[in-house]
Amino acid sequence: GQNIDQPTEMTATEGAIVQINCTYQTSGFNGLFWYQQHAGEAPTFLSYNVLDGLEEKGRFSSFLSRSKGYSYLLLKELQMKDSASYLCAVPGGGFKTIFGAGTRLFVKA
Amino acid sequence: GAGVSQTPSNKVTEKGKYVELRCDPISGHTALYWYRQSLGQGPEFLIYFQGTGAADDSGLPNDRFFAVRPEGSVSTLKIQRTERGDSAVYLCASSPGRGGSYNEQFFGPGTRLTVL
Repeated sequence: GQNIDQPTEMTATEGAIVQINCTYQTSGFNGLFWYQQHAGEAPTFLSYNVLDGLEEKGRFSSFLSRSKGYSYLLLKELQMKDSASYLCAVPGGGFKTIFGAGTRLFVKA
Repeated sequence: GAGVSQTPSNKVTEKGKYVELRCDPISGHTALYWYRQSLGQGPEFLIYFQGTGAADDSGLPNDRFFAVRPEGSVSTLKIQRTERGDSAVYLCASSPGRGGSYNEQFFGPGTRLTVL
């Protein structure tokens, strides 16, 4: 089966860097997604990693280690608008996507 | 262009009633997903359509839940004999092409269902 673990909540300061970790267990790996979800809104796509290493996209970067079943999302130069939930997700066999419970990030001034 | 739309945005119903939730995907997207999300949780997969057919309905919790996509675009999620435990936000997502798991999904704003 599939299992995803993420911290429930994190707090960071505006302008700082924060790393949100995700560990997963899946039978047959086919990539890992990160989505952002502001309160009361729909999830929006941030990144997709299928190979090991770091992929950078502006202030956001995502890292994957397939051998360790581990990923992280790195947010730099934090802004207040980055306060949101960050969802880690993996394809779960068939055509389903399995989402973690999400990490709620609070950015304080 | 227009994103994924869902109607109604909110639905309040009584236990035992029947409800229909509608999803209008991005034009041209052949893959369509339904999820439900409870407070503090991530989206939980319900069903996946490729075109008109339900390619994976393994997430439907029981036979009270059913979904259709008769013309390969708009989809309707139908819930019979609603129960209080069905209360959640129901999200629809679409993506281009096949093999949906590997493609970015575009989510609609969701329908908040409350069963009293």
